[in-house]
Amino acid sequence: SAVISQKPSRDICQRGTSLTIQCQVDSQVTMMFWYRQQPGQSLTLIATANQGSEATYESGFVIDKFPISRPNLTFSTLTVSNMSPEDSSIYLCSASWTEESYEQYFGPGTRLTVT
Amino acid sequence: SQELEQSPQSLIVQEGKNLTINCTSSKTLYGLYWYKQKYGEGLIFLMMLQKGGEEKSHEKITAKLDEKKQQSSLHITASQPSHAGIYLCGADMWGDDKIIFGKGTRLHILP
Repeated sequence: SAVISQKPSRDICQRGTSLTIQCQVDSQVTMMFWYRQQPGQSLTLIATANQGSEATYESGFVIDKFPISRPNLTFSTLTVSNMSPEDSSIYLCSASWTEESYEQYFGPGTRLTVT
Repeated sequence: SQELEQSPQSLIVQEGKNLTINCTSSKTLYGLYWYKQKYGEGLIFLMMLQKGGEEKSHEKITAKLDEKKQQSSLHITASQPSHAGIYLCGADMWGDDKIIFGKGTRLHILP
């Protein structure tokens, strides 16, 4: 199975700053996604990262707050902008190799704490 | 919005015992996915079910999807400490282009 890595694995950030999370897959993938998992909650899809075009955001998430890049088929970044304590979560990227199902493989996650 | 209901929320089982986790949707599912989450390891893909009545097994874990494609169960036989973690079901519905996830079942295995 493919390896999906994320950097950083964790960070503690101050309110008002921004953090960019990187997601690297060791092979070309069809689709990449970004999720948020708030404490005690399930996964919530933030957006689908589209290669070469703007990401597709879910309701409640906007590009100004969570800009996403996907310059190629193996790499994506998620930026959490102007952070507040409510942004403290685990952020996960996932990848899918097929458009016929949503079988996804996840990175290890980035644990973000905003103080 | 559509939700997946998982039960139980938490489960404590003696090592060697069997257990079942359930995932229920009010709508017909297109695909049902089971994941396991351990701290610091992200989510591990376990199985995908797409056909009504389908059943898949991997080692001591068996997942089933009912004929109506609205309910799935995950069954672990002779549980081991390595089975401990959070089990999440995810599903995509007809016409949707994303997966939604249940809130997870936290499984503890007592030695």
